[in-house]
Amino acid sequence: NAGVTQTPKFRILKIGQSMTLQCTQDMNHNYMYWYRQDPGMGLKLIYYSVGAGITDKGEVPNGYNVSRSTTEDFPLRLELAAPSQTSVYFCASTEGQAGNTIYFGEGSWLTVV
Amino acid sequence: GQQLNQSPQSMFIQEGEDVSMNCTSSSIFNTWLWYKQDPGEGPVLLIALYKAGELTSNGRLTAQFGITRKDSFLNISASIPSDVGIYFCAGQRKGGSEKLVFGKGTKLTVNP
Repeated sequence: NAGVTQTPKFRILKIGQSMTLQCTQDMNHNYMYWYRQDPGMGLKLIYYSVGAGITDKGEVPNGYNVSRSTTEDFPLRLELAAPSQTSVYFCASTEGQAGNTIYFGEGSWLTVV
Repeated sequence: GQQLNQSPQSMFIQEGEDVSMNCTSSSIFNTWLWYKQDPGEGPVLLIALYKAGELTSNGRLTAQFGITRKDSFLNISASIPSDVGIYFCAGQRKGGSEKLVFGKGTKLTVNP
């Protein structure tokens, strides 16, 4: 039972490069989320999706894009990496709307230099 | 955006001691959640609270939903080394999980 799987675990990017963080879940959850976690800070919502083909902005969407072509996958795209995007990124999914059912991935550590 | 004030920011305790941490907000929440994050891992749900005044336990952990609905407390009794990690509170207003607001975390260190 894999749950929420994120790749890569670690990545170093140069300023201006682009990359995609992959996220997949095998629980058939409709709701998926991308958060970023900066040192000493709580989780900030970047984008979320309530189902395949539907995405919406969270609190800190600038500099990111997402797509949700299937129920399982919710990739996060950084088009022009900036040092401010150095952070730990967590993908999560939930069956319904209640916060208690959120499952988080193990995180992706991204450094932009 | 909406913020939760979580304190203390960090704690250094001896094994066997009890621990208390709390979250406060200027806004009312319908649900309070407490998560633990181990190093290099994602947050894992510890306790969920749904009613003002509710007191819920999970082993050595006890959490309470404040009567004003603007705060919540987490207590850990008889701490052990594996309690080390970062504890996050999260509050949810009406609506979907995208409305979750997280505290900044309490980093707990337990000395054997």
